[in-house]
Parts: sequence; structure tokens; C-alpha cells
Amino acid sequence: AQKITQTQPGMFVQEKEAVTLDCTYDTSDQSYGLFWYKQPSSGEMIFLIYQGSYDEQNATEGRYSLNFQKARKSANLVISASQLGDSAMYFCAMREGLGAGGSYIPTFGRGTSLIVHP
Amino acid sequence: DVKVTQSSRYLVKRTGEKVFLECVQDMDHENMFWYRQDPGLGLRLIYFSYDVKMKEKGDIPEGYSVSREKKERFSLILESASTNQTSMYLCASSEGGANTGELFFGEGSRLTVL
Repeated sequence: AQKITQTQPGMFVQEKEAVTLDCTYDTSDQSYGLFWYKQPSSGEMIFLIYQGSYDEQNATEGRYSLNFQKARKSANLVISASQLGDSAMYFCAMREGLGAGGSYIPTFGRGTSLIVHP
Repeated sequence: DVKVTQSSRYLVKRTGEKVFLECVQDMDHENMFWYRQDPGLGLRLIYFSYDVKMKEKGDIPEGYSVSREKKERFSLILESASTNQTSMYLCASSEGGANTGELFFGEGSRLTVL
């Protein structure tokens, strides 16, 4: 079973509008963390935002916010006031408890392609 | 500026060739990772390393090996490349210990095996 599910292969949004990218996760750990990364067409992966499972407030970073609903095991990314430069692939990822060598090993979803129209 | 550098952005190899993908990080990170990215499949972990000379298999290690002789360098080796290994390969690093686990990525290496 997938640990991270992104159900939207592609999304379209009008410039300046808000958009929500969905992510649900599956874990039995109490301590875990959730990430969103952006991958423009150039290929580099850019870290956007992080939410720890014990964080009571939803994480925000500029125009990005993470809508964390623990009981529903969802961690949706909200991008406010979309810009043309937001067109990219977006990946949700999760790290669970410490693995080999005391390391966190993130698992990724399949991604959502976002296209922002002018 | 912190950096993860992958030696080649684009490679074209023939079936059966031995392929080396090199990755170097300058952040003194303990952990290094190799992921493979394919359309519709997201990122899948091939191998990771949490210390020099230490390695652990990820989800899809078959057909790959790795080497970490120095802390800053993590190499992915395809002993005998096959066409189904045509893909984008992403190297990443992260701090050790109980931090957030954020990954820092290289720019990716797009490998085509003919």
C-alpha cells in the first residue's frame, strides 16, 4: 500500500487564484513529518514546507500553507495567489520514525503537475 | 550556498555498459540518498547511506550498487545498464539525528540507455 497518496495527477489554476493540492498519508507512527517539494521543468527539487506531527499550528511559508488534518491523515498544500512561476510538479513526502543508522528516510508520493494559466 | 552536485546532467549509454553517477555534497551531512524518478511513479528510493561505507537498500535496489568511501561523496553504479534503467536519478542529502529529515537535492542526472 502506498504511504503517500496524491490523487490529482494534474491541476490547472488561473493566475492570482488559490489552489489546493491534495495529499493523504498512511502511518502508524506517532512521530512523523510531512514535506512538500516543488520540481520545476528544470528538474531541481525545491523544499517548500514542513509539518511535524506534533505541531499544533498549520505550517506556513509565504504563499504556501499546509492544511494539516491529523485525524483524516491529510496534509494538503495550499498555494495562495498563484503565479506563472508556480507551474511545476509538486511532491508530498513523509518521514516516519528513525530508520537504519538513526536516519529519517522520506517516502514520496507520485506527484501533481500544476499549470498556472495567465 | 549549500550544494549537492551531481556529476552529469545528461548521459547516454549503451546496454551492458557500466555506468557511474557521482554525487557530492558540501554540507557535512551524514545521510545521502539515491532516488529514481519516473513519470507517474514519483520518487523511489534505490539506496541510502547514513555513514561512510554504510549503505542500506531502498525500495528498488535491483540492478544497482552504491559506494560511499568519503562522507561527502555517494556514487550510484549500474554494473550492466539495461534499457529499463532509463530514468531521472536524483541524489539527496540530509543531516543525521532527529532533525526534520529535510532532503537537499542535486539537479538530477537524466540517463538514457540505448
